[in-house]
Amino acid sequence: SQELEQSPQSLIVQEGKNLTINCTSSKTLYGLYWYKQKYGEGLIFLMMLQKGGEEKSHEKITAKLDEKKQQSSLHITASQPSHAGIYLCGADKLVTSSGTSYGKLTFGQGTILTVHP
Amino acid sequence: EPEVTQTPSHQVTQMGQEVILRCVPISNHLYFYWYRQILGQKVEFLVSFYNNEISEKSEIFDDQFSVERPDGSNFTLKIRSTKLEDSAMYFCASSEAELLSDEQYFGPGTRLTVT
Repeated sequence: SQELEQSPQSLIVQEGKNLTINCTSSKTLYGLYWYKQKYGEGLIFLMMLQKGGEEKSHEKITAKLDEKKQQSSLHITASQPSHAGIYLCGADKLVTSSGTSYGKLTFGQGTILTVHP
Repeated sequence: EPEVTQTPSHQVTQMGQEVILRCVPISNHLYFYWYRQILGQKVEFLVSFYNNEISEKSEIFDDQFSVERPDGSNFTLKIRSTKLEDSAMYFCASSEAELLSDEQYFGPGTRLTVT
């Protein structure tokens, strides 16, 4: 089964600092999703990456998928207290031997981000 | 902006009771999902649903669980005879198409507490 490992498990930064969260897969990623979750709340979609070397940005958040499609990083520039929360990476299920894909996401354990003002 | 809604936000039930968690997916979406998150653990896939039938289910989704789309808008998760270990946040999600081409939108979750 697809396993995703996130690092670090938690991160405490001062407002204004840059930070990076990594997500590593044991298998080739066919679709990698980044979500943000506030404690006890739902998941907010941030970005989806599919192609090796792909990079997407939204406001101060940039996500990249490496060429081998086994690692993704999420980079936040000039962090703000509003960025605090739990960041989750999720991978779409791999295509099965029958060629059918399923819309199931497997998630990493999450990275808890705290931003001190 | 369209969103997935879930009710109730918090459900407390006694062990052995049946609960129904409700979700209203985004109106033009065709694929529906349930996930759960036990406190402090990963978000886990339970089941996916398309065209009025289950597409895939995880090993967690045993005979105790069932899903239904009783009308054109609601998508429900029923847990029969709840157990203490069913206590978790349950998230509903929907997407317009199968993944790899579309994002999956999550609801705010229902916190289920089994006592």
